[in-house]
Amino acid sequence: ETGVTQTPRHLVMGMTNKKSLKCEQHLGHNAMYWYKQSAKKPLELMFVYNFKEQTENNSVPSRFSPECPNSSHLFLHLHTLQPEDSALYLCASSQDLGAGPRGEAFFGQGTRLTVV
Amino acid sequence: AQSVSQHNHHVILSEAASLELGCNYSYGGTVNLFWYVQYPGQHLQLLLKYFSGDPLVKGIKGFEAEFIKSKFSFNLRKPSVQWSDTAEYFCALYSGGYQKVTFGIGTKLQVIP
Repeated sequence: ETGVTQTPRHLVMGMTNKKSLKCEQHLGHNAMYWYKQSAKKPLELMFVYNFKEQTENNSVPSRFSPECPNSSHLFLHLHTLQPEDSALYLCASSQDLGAGPRGEAFFGQGTRLTVV
Repeated sequence: AQSVSQHNHHVILSEAASLELGCNYSYGGTVNLFWYVQYPGQHLQLLLKYFSGDPLVKGIKGFEAEFIKSKFSFNLRKPSVQWSDTAEYFCALYSGGYQKVTFGIGTKLQVIP
């Protein structure tokens, strides 16, 4: 248990569906992240939020829409996805974006997404 | 830009063999370096980290890594692996300049009993 909880753990959705991934952290951290983990590719940083403000959007298609209502919760809203979006989506948090120990990231267990 | 290269994508070792996984990075400034491990079906866990000071860092489960600034490297080592070390290992870099963590592609380690 890392203190970062992701739900659901598994999700199968059609290309016309709308679904949301949820991430919750109880570590008192101010920065939260979405990563995409695909086979044979490095972890891809998608979005970064710091103090509820989005600080990075790594050229992610608009069919992925993040939401950060407070420092403890992060959502990833999904709509009209493609089969190539099937991957493990990881949420992480860190104390803030500073270097050193404050930037150490704690990861959730991920949501395994399959788009059919 | 910052990047991380892991040269060994799949390593197979027998128990008690020594392990060294390569990690090289590209970034000209001050960096923080990490090794994460992902056991089958589990979340990414921090194995060890380097922020500053002694370039030889020790982590959990007998792992260690050495930061060699002149070679831009941060190789992971363990003198004697166990079957329970079977996992995927990720090298990662954080720079204050880019304020984000960049991961390598990962190395799958399979330890045969």
